[in-house]
Amino acid sequence: AQSVTQLGSHVSVSEGALVLLRCNYSSSVPPYLFWYVQYPNQGLQLLLKYTSAATLVKGINGFEAEFKKSETSFHLTKPSAHMRDAAEYFCAVSDNNDMRFGAGTRLTVKP
Amino acid sequence: DAGITQSPRHKVTETGTPVTLRCHQTENHRYMYWYRQDPGHGLRLIHYSYGVKDTDKGEVSDGYSVSRSKTEDFLLTLESATSSQTSVYFCAISEVRDRDGYTFGSGTRLTVV
Repeated sequence: AQSVTQLGSHVSVSEGALVLLRCNYSSSVPPYLFWYVQYPNQGLQLLLKYTSAATLVKGINGFEAEFKKSETSFHLTKPSAHMRDAAEYFCAVSDNNDMRFGAGTRLTVKP
Repeated sequence: DAGITQSPRHKVTETGTPVTLRCHQTENHRYMYWYRQDPGHGLRLIHYSYGVKDTDKGEVSDGYSVSRSKTEDFLLTLESATSSQTSVYFCAISEVRDRDGYTFGSGTRLTVV
């Protein structure tokens, strides 16, 4: 079965700094990969998805992620953090019709 | 998201009582899912449905049952609630099983005392 590992349960950055949230996956077949964002007291919202087209995927709110098959990674980045980016972020992998979520990374943005 | 609503938003119940959570969608999506969210575990699938009266178990289905009598409604029932079922429950929908990602409801915070 596929699995997802998010490195770092908490990440703190200063406003304007680079955001890097790490995600590694394991899958026996080419996977679909996703990043979701969760704001307090809300459900998860899809940020972006990789579905075997371009390896660099652009999402909403200025986020992007790069699929690296050799590293089995799908890290999420944003060049310049904004206060409104403070939230919890979940990486997810889907293969054979089974979607698995990582444990989440809470992003804090300091002024 | 207006296309998917969960009720109630909050519930406190006593150990041993039955509890039903409701998920309602207006998107006419085929697939509906129930997840629970717990700190350190991310989201774990409880049950999902691939059509009216068609359901299957997920990763953590023990102690839960589901029903889907109409396309738009997916009910999650805790037959006899336990403290270990205190959690935040999310419903999600999708048109296809995995390719496009899911749309989530706002969640139900359930406390079993």
